[in-house]
Amino acid sequence: DTGVSQDPRHKITKRGQNVTFRCDPISEHNRLYWYRQTLGQGPEFLTYFQNEAQLEKSRLLSDRFSAERPKGSFSTLEIQRTEQGDSAMYLCASSFMTGRKEEQYFGPGTRLTVT
Amino acid sequence: AQKITQTQPGMFVQEKEAVTLDCTYDTSDPSYGLFWYKQPSSGEMIFLIYQGSYDQQNATEGRYSLNFQKARKSANLVISASQLGDSAMYFCAMRESGNQFYFGTGTSLTVIP
Repeated sequence: DTGVSQDPRHKITKRGQNVTFRCDPISEHNRLYWYRQTLGQGPEFLTYFQNEAQLEKSRLLSDRFSAERPKGSFSTLEIQRTEQGDSAMYLCASSFMTGRKEEQYFGPGTRLTVT
Repeated sequence: AQKITQTQPGMFVQEKEAVTLDCTYDTSDPSYGLFWYKQPSSGEMIFLIYQGSYDQQNATEGRYSLNFQKARKSANLVISASQLGDSAMYFCAMRESGNQFYFGTGTSLTVIP
């Protein structure tokens, strides 16, 4: 296992279109996070899965965003009716707990540009 | 109020010296975790270190240590023996027990040869 992978790496779409991103976590990791990062800013938490259960979602997250993690393996993040403000880097991370310690590993991100 | 505050937009350190990056947090949750990440100019996010709120000892990972002062709600990152490759953005983050994650605005560290 070479780490967390994300697909695609880049996506250009027109406003109003739907897009879907995929994240493949490290196989033994049961926790999976999605974040969004715009240029010059820190990451913004979007949602969190433990196994297949979506346990937390950002209170600021629009209903246009939905995420799934079927069977507790890969995850998808869908944005419906994209807006120019959705342009950002979308980061996925997976983690595991050893005792009380958590280690997170990030994927390379998917850069979304909405024109 | 900001959940995570990083007051140093930019820091400079001489190679081989130690540097402290500041982070304060705000939570009323008794159970939380604190994280530090490094983001080089290439863009990938790298996890550095984790501190749980119930951990009595400061976390250490190689040249990184987290100076955890619970009463002050601070979680400063100390990098010892700085290297040129340490030049990057550094983000402090907190996860509350409800699994909401909060990030600071980051500190840009430049290591001077």
